[in-house]
Amino acid sequence: EVQLVQSGAEVKKPGESLKISCQGSGYRFASYWIAWVRQMPGKGLEWMGIIYPGDSETRYSPSFQGQVAISVDKSISTAYLQWSSLKASDTAIYYCASPFKTGRIDAFDIWGQGTMVTVSS
Amino acid sequence: QSVLTQPPSASGTPGQRVTFSCSGSSSNIGSNTVNWYQQLPGTAPKLVIYSDEQRPSGVPDRFSGSKSGTSASLAISGLQSEDEADYYCAAWDDSLNGPVFGGGTKLTVL
Repeated sequence: EVQLVQSGAEVKKPGESLKISCQGSGYRFASYWIAWVRQMPGKGLEWMGIIYPGDSETRYSPSFQGQVAISVDKSISTAYLQWSSLKASDTAIYYCASPFKTGRIDAFDIWGQGTMVTVSS
Repeated sequence: QSVLTQPPSASGTPGQRVTFSCSGSSSNIGSNTVNWYQQLPGTAPKLVIYSDEQRPSGVPDRFSGSKSGTSASLAISGLQSEDEADYYCAAWDDSLNGPVFGGGTKLTVL
C-alpha cells in the first residue's frame, strides 16, 4: 500500500525548536516530490514548500521562506519539516503530500495523516 | 486572504446537483490546470479532480470539473450525505512558483 505516515502530535513552547517527519512506503520514494501544507485552526490550506528526494531540490513559498526548513533522508524514505524557533502562530496541522499518480507536481493524490503542532506558553 | 476565491458555503439536498466556483487570475487558473480537494471533517484532504477534469482512480463519476478562462468549477451530481465536506480548489501560480489554494467551500447536505 502506498502511504505517507507522519510523526505524532507535538506540544511546544515559544522559542523551542521542532522537527516533524513524513515517511513514505509502498513506492519509490526518491522519485516523487513531497510537499508540506499548513492548515491553521479552522482555516484553509497553504502550500509551504516542496522537495524532490532524489536530489534534494527544494522550493519554498515566499510566505515560509526563512521560517522553516524542509529536508529529506532518502535512505529511510523520510522528509522533514523543521523550525528553529517556534511561535504561537505556528500552531496548526501540518500535512505532507505527494503527486504520486497524477504526473503533476501540484496535484497531490497521497497525503499523510497530518501532524498537529501546538505552540503555547 | 487566499489567492483563489471560493464562496464560503454551499448546500443541497440528497440527489441534487451542486456546483462550486473558483476564481483566479492569469498567473494561476488562466495559465495552469486546476485541482480540487475534498476534506471530510477531521481528515486529510483527498484529491477528487486534477488537471481541470481528470478523476483519480476511485473517485466516483458523480464528480466533474471544468474550467473557462480564469475560473473553474467542480460539480457533484446525485448528492449524497457523505459528500458533506470542505472543498478546495488549487492551481499552480507562475508568480509564486508554487501551488495556491482557495479558501474552501463548506458543503452542507440538508
